[in-house]
Amino acid sequence: EAGVTQFPSHSVIEKGQTVTLRCDPISGHDNLYWYRRVMGKEIKFLLHFVKESKQDESGMPNNRFLAERTGGTYSTLKVQPAELEDSGVYFCASRPFGVNYGYTFGSGTRLTVV
Amino acid sequence: TQLLEQSPQFLSIQEGENLTVYCNSSSVFSSLQWYRQEPGEGPVLLVTVVTGGEVKKLKRLTFQFGDARKDSSLHITAAQPGDTGLYLCAGPYNNNDMRFGAGTRLTVKP
Repeated sequence: EAGVTQFPSHSVIEKGQTVTLRCDPISGHDNLYWYRRVMGKEIKFLLHFVKESKQDESGMPNNRFLAERTGGTYSTLKVQPAELEDSGVYFCASRPFGVNYGYTFGSGTRLTVV
Repeated sequence: TQLLEQSPQFLSIQEGENLTVYCNSSSVFSSLQWYRQEPGEGPVLLVTVVTGGEVKKLKRLTFQFGDARKDSSLHITAAQPGDTGLYLCAGPYNNNDMRFGAGTRLTVKP
């Protein structure tokens, strides 16, 4: 079974530019999550998809962040325009339906805004 | 204030030593999970504890869920360099979305 795949693994962009991160969850996992870890801080929840619907986006920092999950398969997270404080590692995770299943995480995208 | 407080934040020990790391909250959780993360990788699930007082063992790792389901501990016996990593606890919050502690960064020196 293929794991959660994230692309790119690293991205360095200038302030004001746009970046789009992609996540391919495990096939059949309805739940898809985006998390972010900034330097020295805990992993923080951004948003949660159930299939193509946004279940909870309370963790999205501001309206410069836009997440989509077309067709309930892969998801994208776009940051436009990027700011310095957006730097960090963005993780995607997926899990099947059910309360106590653990998440399967991707390896993350390390975003550096300069 | 974090929902899940992990301690210690950093731990450096010699190979063969035992250690315990803690995950505490003022909130009750239906379950708690422990993950380990290595550099350049995402967190990997180690265990899920569900019942208050539950103890689970994974080789040299022993996980315990507090009776009141507000805390958990991870004990490693005879630590090895391969145990080095960031240990994270996480619990479901709001529609089963997970919230994470800041983690304990463990270094085991040969």
